[in-house]
Amino acid sequence: GQQVMQIPQYQHVQEGEDFTTYCNSSTTLSNIQWYKQRPGGHPVFLIQLVKSGEVKKQKRLTFQFGEAKKNSSLHITATQTTDVGTYFCAFPSMNRDDKIIFGKGTRLHILP
Amino acid sequence: DAGVIQSPRHEVTEMGQEVTLRCKPISGHDYLFWYRQTMMRGLELLIYFNNNVPIDDSGMPEDRFSAKMPNASFSTLKIQPSEPRDSAVYFCASSLTYPRLFFGSGTQLSVL
Repeated sequence: GQQVMQIPQYQHVQEGEDFTTYCNSSTTLSNIQWYKQRPGGHPVFLIQLVKSGEVKKQKRLTFQFGEAKKNSSLHITATQTTDVGTYFCAFPSMNRDDKIIFGKGTRLHILP
Repeated sequence: DAGVIQSPRHEVTEMGQEVTLRCKPISGHDYLFWYRQTMMRGLELLIYFNNNVPIDDSGMPEDRFSAKMPNASFSTLKIQPSEPRDSAVYFCASSLTYPRLFFGSGTQLSVL
């Protein structure tokens, strides 16, 4: 069956350092999305990737979709305290493209 | 637009009581999802609707859980009887023709 792993589970970085979270799937994904959830808040959509090898940037955030469409990453350059939160990848289920499943998330903590 | 509206924000109840969570999706959205979030299990998809019709309820834990969407502007998630292990944050999310999800602020449920 479909297995998607998001790593790492937790990450502590000094403010100003870079951060990366990865989602790795055992099967090819038609697309992948990324969400951010601030502490005490709700998930907020960041971006969707659809094409093989796609790279998208949003200011200090860089999103990549692997050539085989089995893995994806979110990279934050020079983290700031506002980046604190949990980052989730989300993807369609194998059997239904509109059934959206979330990864376990990576919790980012920034050390001042 | 006010976004996805969930009520109540917090619910504290005793084991065995019936709990009803409510959700008003964004007007015009045709998908509605119910997720449950816990530290141990992350964001779990419970059930989702398309055009008010339940599409997949395989994530509903057991018969104690039920969900309805009587019209395009309202959905409920009911737990009867509630148990302490149901304690979690329950999120409702809506979407216009997939896949970007807009989440409500969630209902924090505590079952004592």
